[in-house]
Amino acid sequence: QSALTQPASVSGSPGQSITISCTGTTSDVGGYNYVSWYQQHPGKAPKLMIYEVTNRPSGVSSRFSGSKSGNTASLTISGLQAEDEGDYYCSSHSISGNTQYVFGTGTKVTVL
Amino acid sequence: EVQLVESGGGLVQPGGSLRLSCEVSGFTFRSYWMNWVRQAPGKGLEWVANIRQDGNEKHYMDSVKGRFTISRDNTKHSLYLQMNSLRAEDTAVYYCARGGVLHGFDMWGQGTMVTV
Repeated sequence: QSALTQPASVSGSPGQSITISCTGTTSDVGGYNYVSWYQQHPGKAPKLMIYEVTNRPSGVSSRFSGSKSGNTASLTISGLQAEDEGDYYCSSHSISGNTQYVFGTGTKVTVL
Repeated sequence: EVQLVESGGGLVQPGGSLRLSCEVSGFTFRSYWMNWVRQAPGKGLEWVANIRQDGNEKHYMDSVKGRFTISRDNTKHSLYLQMNSLRAEDTAVYYCARGGVLHGFDMWGQGTMVTV
């Protein structure tokens, strides 16, 4: 089972919007609306930011939004803030082999 | 407050065994699927295994199937991962994660480091 493909890095200035893509196949991203996004700061546990493609858990800023088209999901961060800097991972339910879930390769977000 | 606390990590020789534990509090443990997710040093996240609320359905990633066993004790609010025949490529921080949203992981522990 291959990891979902994300850009290695994305950067933006404070206040700008950035978008992170997450590309899979019809066996994962394209086949189900079960894409999640996680934020991870150095040395810390991941934090759920988006689930089921577009849903935000309570407590997560509305500046974070998700979408999907075909085999590619996207996370958009609007009004970029310094605290948004970190690593972001997508994840999807998968029916490939025995693996239930596949994660993305990860994207480092830098706030300039 | 929801808490997940992993323990049991450490240094082990190739071919050896370790048993990880995850003790939870602050929510009804028996109501949730539970997962193990790992992260090799400097690398991305990788789902390892999960277990249904009653413990009667389990799934594993291909590379650990037959070597790792996930289990739970709902009376002790605890999740376990028995890891046998460990390999260098199993070196990682192991997180327990609650399956609190449909096909997603809404709460995570702080992780425990396993070095093979």
